[in-house]
Amino acid sequence: AQKVTQAQTEISVVEKEDVTLDCVYETRDTTYYLFWYKQPPSGELVFLIRRNSFDEQNEISGRYSWNFQKSTSSFNFTITASQVVDSAVYFCALRTSGTYKYIFGTGTRLKVLA
Amino acid sequence: DGGITQSPKYLFRKEGQNVTLSCEQNLNHDAMYWYRQDPGQGLRLIYYSQIVNDFQKGDIAEGYSVSREKKESFPLTVTSAQKNPTAFYLCASSWGAPSNQPQHFGDGTRLSIL
Repeated sequence: AQKVTQAQTEISVVEKEDVTLDCVYETRDTTYYLFWYKQPPSGELVFLIRRNSFDEQNEISGRYSWNFQKSTSSFNFTITASQVVDSAVYFCALRTSGTYKYIFGTGTRLKVLA
Repeated sequence: DGGITQSPKYLFRKEGQNVTLSCEQNLNHDAMYWYRQDPGQGLRLIYYSQIVNDFQKGDIAEGYSVSREKKESFPLTVTSAQKNPTAFYLCASSWGAPSNQPQHFGDGTRLSIL
């Protein structure tokens, strides 16, 4: 069975704090892809990053960074020096090779307080 | 600009009425999807289509129907059999292959019962 778990339902931080959103996945497939999306209050989901199962290199994009660890089946997302504009719901998703379905976690609502 | 257009943005349904949500994409994507999102909840897959004239049920297909007569269009009908249709509906599309491609989402339709 495939599953994505985002155990943190809601996180509140004060602006400029660092925050990490956790994502744990389950799959028996050896080739799979992981994604992070941001859903601002307006509703549309915005794609942030993709990671292939065979590429464990971490990635940094400005204030955003992602830590992929196959040993713990985790793909965590860190926002450094958070800003109010980072307030949104963040979803982690999994897709395995050869399939069309994306498995989403339940999302983490991040509130950044000024 | 390439993207996904959902309409209407807001929709109201009377008891016993069928309503149709529109989803059009000009990204030339093979696959299209419909998700339902309830307040504070994650995304639940209703239907998806890998190719024209073919579609598969997702996790919560009961009370919904779809068609895929054209590559760029994937309308969703919420039938009177769906007893609790109030939710936010998101349409998405993606390349069928390779599987590392992210989904692109529309802005969503909010459906309410009158």
